[in-house]
Amino acid sequence: QKEVEQNSGPLSVPEGAIASLNCTYSDRGSQSFFWYRQYSGKSPELIMFIYSNGDKEDGRFTAQLNKASQYVSLLIRDSQPSDSATYLCAVNPGNQFYFGTGTSLTVIP
Amino acid sequence: EPEVTQTPSHQVTQMGQEVILRCVPISNHLYFYWYRQILGQKVEFLVSFYNNEISEKSEIFDDQFSVERPDGSNFTLKIRSTKLEDSAMYFCASSDLAQGTGELFFGEGSRLTVL
Repeated sequence: QKEVEQNSGPLSVPEGAIASLNCTYSDRGSQSFFWYRQYSGKSPELIMFIYSNGDKEDGRFTAQLNKASQYVSLLIRDSQPSDSATYLCAVNPGNQFYFGTGTSLTVIP
Repeated sequence: EPEVTQTPSHQVTQMGQEVILRCVPISNHLYFYWYRQILGQKVEFLVSFYNNEISEKSEIFDDQFSVERPDGSNFTLKIRSTKLEDSAMYFCASSDLAQGTGELFFGEGSRLTVL
């Protein structure tokens, strides 16, 4: 069974702080990893993807992947109130995409 | 920017009725998906579709569910006899796994309420 685990939160950080979101997955055959943001009542939207071990930076967002530990994380620097949302980790072990339960993030002004 | 479109945005139906949710995937994408999200819960995979046939389906996708690509653009999810527990947001998504990031592009969703 392909499991994707996330801490459901809620995670609260003050504005300007770093938010750290974590995800583990069970399928060692997974090749692609995605972070989606979902506002309440809306569809998920892609923030970042990562394929290789290490860090990948895009603006205020950094994704980190460790395939040996089956672990992927997302760091949000200089958090803004508009970052308040649920963050979904998704894993792509083939033609499918499996999602974690999501971590609810609140950025406090 | 190309997008996935879904209709209807919200449908209310009586238990036992048939429902068809419609989707127009991004035109050059080859992989199509249906996901559902019960309020407050995770996004759950239902079915994937490639080359005019189901490539994988989850245990949720039982005999009351079916998918179809009746023409070159639409991709539909049919629920034959709705149950109360089918109430959820249904997301259609498409992807071109062979190119680009391989990401999933989601539609805005169809909210199904079964009474």
